[in-house]
Amino acid sequence: AQSVTQPDIHITVSEGASLELRCNYSYGATPYLFWYVQSPGQGLQLLLKYFSGDTLVQGIKGFEAEFKRSQSSFNLRKPSVHWSDAAEYFCAVGAGNDYKLSFGAGTTVTVRA
Amino acid sequence: EAQVTQNPRYLITVTGKKLTVTCSQNMNHEYMSWYRQDPGLGLRQIYYSMNVEVTDKGDVPEGYKVSRKEKRNFPLILESPSPNQTSLYFCASSRQGGNTEAFFGQGTRLTVV
Repeated sequence: AQSVTQPDIHITVSEGASLELRCNYSYGATPYLFWYVQSPGQGLQLLLKYFSGDTLVQGIKGFEAEFKRSQSSFNLRKPSVHWSDAAEYFCAVGAGNDYKLSFGAGTTVTVRA
Repeated sequence: EAQVTQNPRYLITVTGKKLTVTCSQNMNHEYMSWYRQDPGLGLRQIYYSMNVEVTDKGDVPEGYKVSRKEKRNFPLILESPSPNQTSLYFCASSRQGGNTEAFFGQGTRLTVV
C-alpha cells in the first residue's frame, strides 16, 4: 500500500521569498503524484500532477514540483510567494489499479508581510 | 461549469440521529469517493465507488454507509452518528481513480453532540 509523508506541519514565509514544501512517498511501483491546495473554507484544488516523463512539472499559480525517484520525493516550490498563497497544501499519491488516492497530513503555509 | 456539489455545508446533529450528506457531480465521472479531514491526519478515505452499484471500503469505513444508484450521485449515510464522527467531509470525483485528477466538493462541516 502507498503512503505519503509531509515532514513540515507549518511553514512561515515572508512575502516575496521562495517556498519549498517537502513530500516523501512510499509505493512499490510507478507513482502518480499530486499536489493540492486548500484555501480557508474551500475544497481542494489541483496545483499540479506527475504521471511520467519530465521530472520537473509546472502547475498553476506559479508552482512547480520535481520528482526524484532515488529520494522518493516530490517537493513543491514557488520562487516568490504572494499573500494569497497562504493555505494548506497536500501531497497525494495515486495507485492506478486499486483506485486509491492517499494524502499526506498537509503543510500549512503562513505568509507574513 | 464542472463541479462537485455537497449538501449541506454545515450540519449540527445529536448522537444517534440518522443523517445523509449528498454529493453530486456533473462531469460523468465513473469514480467517486468520500474523505474525512481531521487536524494532523490529512484526508482519509471513507468509501469509494468505481461505478454504479460498485462500492468498496476505504481506510476508515466504520460507522458509514454509501450507495451509488446513479452515476452522478454518491450519498454518505451515517446511520447512528457519534461524536467521534465530528469532522470535515469531502466528496470527490475523478474520471478513473488514483491516476487521474480528483475534483472536490466544498466540504461539509459535521458536528455531532
